[in-house]
Amino acid sequence: NAGVMQNPRHLVRRRGQEARLRCSPMKGHSHVYWYRQLPEEGLKFMVYLQKENIIDESGMPKERFSAEFPKEGPSILRIQQVVRGDSAAYFCASSPLLAGVSGEQYFGPGTRLTVT
Amino acid sequence: DAKTTQPPSMDCAEGRAANLPCNHSTISGNEYVYWYRQIHSQGPQYIIHGLKNNETNEMASLIITEDRKSSTLILPHATLRDTAVYYCIVRLHSGSARQLTFGSGTQLTVLP
Repeated sequence: NAGVMQNPRHLVRRRGQEARLRCSPMKGHSHVYWYRQLPEEGLKFMVYLQKENIIDESGMPKERFSAEFPKEGPSILRIQQVVRGDSAAYFCASSPLLAGVSGEQYFGPGTRLTVT
Repeated sequence: DAKTTQPPSMDCAEGRAANLPCNHSTISGNEYVYWYRQIHSQGPQYIIHGLKNNETNEMASLIITEDRKSSTLILPHATLRDTAVYYCIVRLHSGSARQLTFGSGTQLTVLP
């Protein structure tokens, strides 16, 4: 049973370029969350999506960042015109449609974005 | 979600039990206690959760005080691979999933 997949694992972008981070949730999971971890800091929630819907984007920066989770294919976190401050580890997590009696989330290995 | 307080760091000898405390004095009646850990540079890993009864699984045990204002995560026989940051998170449980709010956690170092 494959876990949450993220790719690429490492991504290097120059300032001003676009970064696209992909997340494939665990099989049967239809809730996806994106978190960001800046160097030497804790994990911060960014956005919560279900298939074709953004449920909560309260943690997303207002500009340059967007996320989607289409009916088919992985969830995408897109960062336009990257700046050095975007350098961080970006983690995706998934949980099943029916959380039932538990609400645990399963995390992927992360994408480490470096902006030069 | 209720706020939690954890010691910033702890050491434990390999093979001994690691007892990680968490205070959550403002917890409400329908909030659960969750524990996650993050081994260096990896994605967080779910460990265990509970409401008011003590819980045990293959990874750990969770002891919640009767007034629910604090809890302890117990790793019964710590190994070097248990060195990680451990996060205690209190959150509502509902049928719809919600994001996790991570604090600073406790850096557990298992010593050989």
